[in-house]
Amino acid sequence: AQSVTQLDSQVPVFEEAPVELRCNYSSSVSVYLFWYVQYPNQGLQLLLKYLSGSTLVKGINGFEAEFNKSQTSFHLRKPSVHISDTAEYFCAVSLMDSSYKLIFGSGTRLLVRP
Amino acid sequence: DVKVTQSSRYLVKRTGEKVFLECVQDMDHENMFWYRQDPGLGLRLIYFSYDVKMKEKGDIPEGYSVSREKKERFSLILESASTNQTSMYLCASSTRRGRIMAGELFFGEGSRLTVL
Repeated sequence: AQSVTQLDSQVPVFEEAPVELRCNYSSSVSVYLFWYVQYPNQGLQLLLKYLSGSTLVKGINGFEAEFNKSQTSFHLRKPSVHISDTAEYFCAVSLMDSSYKLIFGSGTRLLVRP
Repeated sequence: DVKVTQSSRYLVKRTGEKVFLECVQDMDHENMFWYRQDPGLGLRLIYFSYDVKMKEKGDIPEGYSVSREKKERFSLILESASTNQTSMYLCASSTRRGRIMAGELFFGEGSRLTVL
């Protein structure tokens, strides 16, 4: 069975510091990978996605993620965070043989402090 | 701009009541989904529909049913609400036009249901 693991439920960080949110997945078939962000009292929106090609993917708001197939990871990074980045971040995988379904991780709450 | 609209942001219902959650999308998407979001559990798929009148169970369908009579509308029904169904419910849609785009979901703002 496929699964997505986000080990950190909450990550506190000071403004302008770098941050990494970790995501690992388990799958017997090839996958597409996604990061979604949920701001308070809102639905989720796509931050970035890896489908193929370069393993370093750039998304909106200065975020990027790197796909590491050997470690089955897709960690999200930002070199300098802002207060406005405070939100919950979800990693998700889509199986290449049934790509209309997404499997989500449990989420990581990023808390940016001044 | 893409739009997924959920009819109610907040609902309070009593145990045993029948509850309808409505979702409408204006993107002509083939796929529509209902997820449940609970703290520490992420999003869990309840049901999805890949065409009008077509539906498939997700990971946690028990206690729920769905209806898709029109392409743009997908309804989640709780036949007899229970307190353990208190949660945030998220509707989403996606296009099946090509595998690459099929995985990207567009979400509504959510419906927070409290069952007393």
